[in-house]
Amino acid sequence: QQQVKQSPQSLIVQKGGISIINCAYENTAFDYFPWYQQFPGKGPALLIAIRPDVSEKKEGRFTISFNKSAKQFSLHIMDSQPGDSATYFCAASMNTGNQFYFGTGTSLTVIP
Amino acid sequence: GAVVSQHPSRVICKSGTSVKIECRSLDFQATTMFWYRQFPKQSLMLMATSNEGSKATYEQGVEKDKFLINHASLTLSTLTVTSAHPEDSSFYICSALTSGGNSYNEQFFGPGTRLTVL
Repeated sequence: QQQVKQSPQSLIVQKGGISIINCAYENTAFDYFPWYQQFPGKGPALLIAIRPDVSEKKEGRFTISFNKSAKQFSLHIMDSQPGDSATYFCAASMNTGNQFYFGTGTSLTVIP
Repeated sequence: GAVVSQHPSRVICKSGTSVKIECRSLDFQATTMFWYRQFPKQSLMLMATSNEGSKATYEQGVEKDKFLINHASLTLSTLTVTSAHPEDSSFYICSALTSGGNSYNEQFFGPGTRLTVL
């Protein structure tokens, strides 16, 4: 059973546009929600993460929006650039445990 | 952020040979490391959880005798693919768990190892 559901599977955005990737979870015990960025042939890199005590976290052009009641969180990439073209994974974990549950990934392509 | 290295970055071997992949946490100690396998354009598939000083915990369907994991120190975990076959060809990625701010666990990934078995 997929603990974290991610959509869309792929996304094409024009340069300068906003990229939005969504994730949903069921387990209310999750209390840490990171996003990872992966370029081809490389390992995933931690991009930004949020705890459930806040509804939004912004770091540069990247923003996580978190809706605790809906059990959803999303990544927004403002002013998307071709260099942002990568695969993005959302994840969820419980601080009491070690296991991370990953979404299936979103392949983002930013067209110049 | 914390740095995790992997060696080698790519390896090509003949069928039937064994291959060892090293995963090191460079600037922190990691009691727990993870090993993932990733097929092209697919998500990360957790293979096993490696705990320093104890036996690894394997996910369902992962052969323990084929994928040997050793976590002998707080900065090093190794994955040995024994008697490799072409179907073992894949991208293997390790990660290490560290306590981030406010004592939350954060996971940092290595750069991955591309294994090709001929």
